[in-house]
Amino acid sequence: NAGVMQNPRHLVRRRGQEARLRCSPMKGHSHVYWYRQLPEEGLKFMVYLQKENIIDESGMPKERFSAEFPKEGPSILRIQQVVRGDSAAYFCASSPVPGSAGELFFGEGSRLTVL
Amino acid sequence: GENVEQHPSTLSVQEGDSAVIKCTYSDSASNYFPWYKQELGKRPQLIIDIRSNVGEKKDQRIAVTLNKTAKHFSLHITETQPEDSAVYFCAALDTGRRALTFGSGTRLQVQP
Repeated sequence: NAGVMQNPRHLVRRRGQEARLRCSPMKGHSHVYWYRQLPEEGLKFMVYLQKENIIDESGMPKERFSAEFPKEGPSILRIQQVVRGDSAAYFCASSPVPGSAGELFFGEGSRLTVL
Repeated sequence: GENVEQHPSTLSVQEGDSAVIKCTYSDSASNYFPWYKQELGKRPQLIIDIRSNVGEKKDQRIAVTLNKTAKHFSLHITETQPEDSAVYFCAALDTGRRALTFGSGTRLQVQP
């Protein structure tokens, strides 16, 4: 059973470009969470999704950020018009149970650098 | 929402000594408290967790204690080894978001 797969592992964008980060949860997991980690800091919750549903996006910036988890395919975190402050590691995690009531399985992260 | 405070931010111990990391949380309805270990450049991985119906849980050299009244929980690592060196994060379930809120992390350095 493959773990949580994230790609790309590293992404470099110039200010104003778009970044798309993908996450395939573990097989059988239908709950996906995105977290952002700034250098030397903790994991900040961004969004919780189930298939075709955004359950909670209270941690997402109101502008430029969006997330989806379609019926088919990976979950995608999209950042439009990136700025330097978006540079961070973005971790996706999945769970077989709802509401983070059990272990979260994290991917290796996508490290975004904005020049 | 949930707020989790974690101390200390850095901890250096000698190999064989014990290490203790402490966290407090704000959501009195929270009932799940995991601890994750993150090695440099790697993914966070669960090392132990505790639910609110127990006060202590142990797994070999690692133990976690929970005081629901005071809203704090702690990670205890005994007989530390160099491979325990990593960043450790506590977390608590935010019952409103239904997602984990993480502490700011403790960088543990075990000196050989």
